[in-house]
Amino acid sequence: QVQLQQWGAGLLKPSETLSLTCAVYGGSFSGYFWTWIRQPPGKGLEWIGEINHGGSANYSPSLKSRVTMSADMSKKQVSLKLNSVTAADTAVYYCARSEGATKRDYYMDVWGKGTTVTVSS
Amino acid sequence: QSVLTQAPSASGTPGQRVTISCFGSSSNIRSNTVNWYQQVPGTAPKLLIYSDNQRPSGVPDRFSGSKSGTSASLAISGLQSEDEADYYCAVWDDSLNGRVFGGGTMLTVL
Repeated sequence: QVQLQQWGAGLLKPSETLSLTCAVYGGSFSGYFWTWIRQPPGKGLEWIGEINHGGSANYSPSLKSRVTMSADMSKKQVSLKLNSVTAADTAVYYCARSEGATKRDYYMDVWGKGTTVTVSS
Repeated sequence: QSVLTQAPSASGTPGQRVTISCFGSSSNIRSNTVNWYQQVPGTAPKLLIYSDNQRPSGVPDRFSGSKSGTSASLAISGLQSEDEADYYCAVWDDSLNGRVFGGGTMLTVL
C-alpha cells in the first residue's frame, strides 16, 4: 500500500521561499511522475507540476518562473520550492503519484494528506 | 477562470441518477484522456475515473465516465448520502502545455 507523507514550513512571510517534501513509502519510486497540486482556501485544485525519479519535470506555465522541483531516488523523496511567495500562494499543497502511458494520459492515483501553507506578514 | 467549465453545484435525492459535466476544447478534452476526482471537504482528493471511463479498483460501479467531442461527463447512479462531495475533472491541455482542472462541482444529496 503506497503512502505519501509530506511536510514543510506552514507559515511564511511574503517574498520567502516555500519548501515542501514528499516521501514515498511502500511502493516504487521510479516509473511514475510525482505531482504537486494546490488548493487555495475555498477554491478549486491547481496543478503546479510534476517530476520523475530522473529529474524530468513539467511545470505549470503560470508558476514556472518561481517553481523548482527535485527528486532524490535514494530517499524516495520529491521536493517543491516556490520562491517569492505572496498571500495568493496560501493554500493546501498536495503531492500525488501520477501514472499513465504519456504525460497527456497521467492520472493521480495516490495522494498525500496535504500541507497547509499560509503566507502572511 | 479554468479552461474546463463545470457547473458550480448539482443535487439529487437518494437513489437518483445525477450527471456532472465538464466542458473543454479541442486542445484538451478532444485530444486527451479525462480524469475525475472526488473530494470530501477537509480531505485529499480521490481518483474516481481515469482514461475517460475507467474505474480504479475499489470505486463502485455506480460511478461512470464518458466523453464526446469537447465535453466529458461523470454519472452517479443510485445516489447515496456518502456521495456528497466536490467533483473535479482534469485533463492535459496541449495549448497550455500543462494539466488543468475544472472549477469543481459541489454535489449535494438532498
